[in-house]
Amino acid sequence: QSVLTQPPSASGTPGQRVSISCSGSSSNIEDNYVFWYQQLPGTAPKLLIYRNNQRPSGVPDRFSGSKSGTSASLAISGLRSEDEADYYCATWDDSVSGPQFGGGTKLTVL
Amino acid sequence: EVRLVQTGAEVKKPGDSLRISCEGSGYNFTNYWITWVRQVPGKGLEWMGRIDPTDSYTNYNPSFQGHVTISVDKSISTAFLQWTSLEASDTAMYYCARQEASFWASVWFDPWGQGTPVTVSS
Repeated sequence: QSVLTQPPSASGTPGQRVSISCSGSSSNIEDNYVFWYQQLPGTAPKLLIYRNNQRPSGVPDRFSGSKSGTSASLAISGLRSEDEADYYCATWDDSVSGPQFGGGTKLTVL
Repeated sequence: EVRLVQTGAEVKKPGDSLRISCEGSGYNFTNYWITWVRQVPGKGLEWMGRIDPTDSYTNYNPSFQGHVTISVDKSISTAFLQWTSLEASDTAMYYCARQEASFWASVWFDPWGQGTPVTVSS
C-alpha cells in the first residue's frame, strides 16, 4: 500500500483534457518536489514532469504538473491515443528518508 | 546519448544467488547516483535503494534493506544489484535509473535502463 494515493484508472476521448491526482501528506508531498513518470505498455518508465511542474526536453507541453499542499496533479490536454499508459507520481518521503511512488493510474484513451 | 544497459533475463531457483548489472554510457558516471526500482508483474513501482558511484555510499528502502545489496564498479561504469538467497517473491522486473545527485531529496530518475526480468521458481 503506497503512501501516495492515485486513482487506479482514468479515461478520456481524443482531444479531451484529463487530470490525474496524487494525494500525500506533510511528510512527503507538502515539503518536497513531486515528479511524474509515464510507463507505456511493455516499456521502462520515462520522466514526464520534475520538480512539480517542469518538463524535460522532448516532453510535449500538453503535459503539465501542479502541486498544492499535500496533493499534486498531472494534467494532459489534447489527449492522444499514444498517451495510453500508466502514470506514476513520486516524491521524497521524510519518514523513510527515501523516494516513494504512487500506486499508478492506468489511462485509457477511448 | 545517455544510456543505461542492463543484464538480460534471469531464471533462478529459490535459494540461489544472483547479481544483475547496469552499465552507464554517454555521461560522467560518477556525477549521478544509480537507483534501483522493482516492479512486480501487474503492480506498481517500488524504490529499492541507490548508490553514489563516487564513494559507493548506499541508501536503502527499509523494506529491502538486508535482502539485497547494491554495489558499483566505477572503473567500468557499472552498478550491481545482488541477492544471496532468492525467494519466489523476488520474481519481478528490476530497473536501474540515473538519479540526480545535486539534491539529496530528489526523485529525478532519467534515463531508465530497459529492465531485467527475474523469475524465481522451483
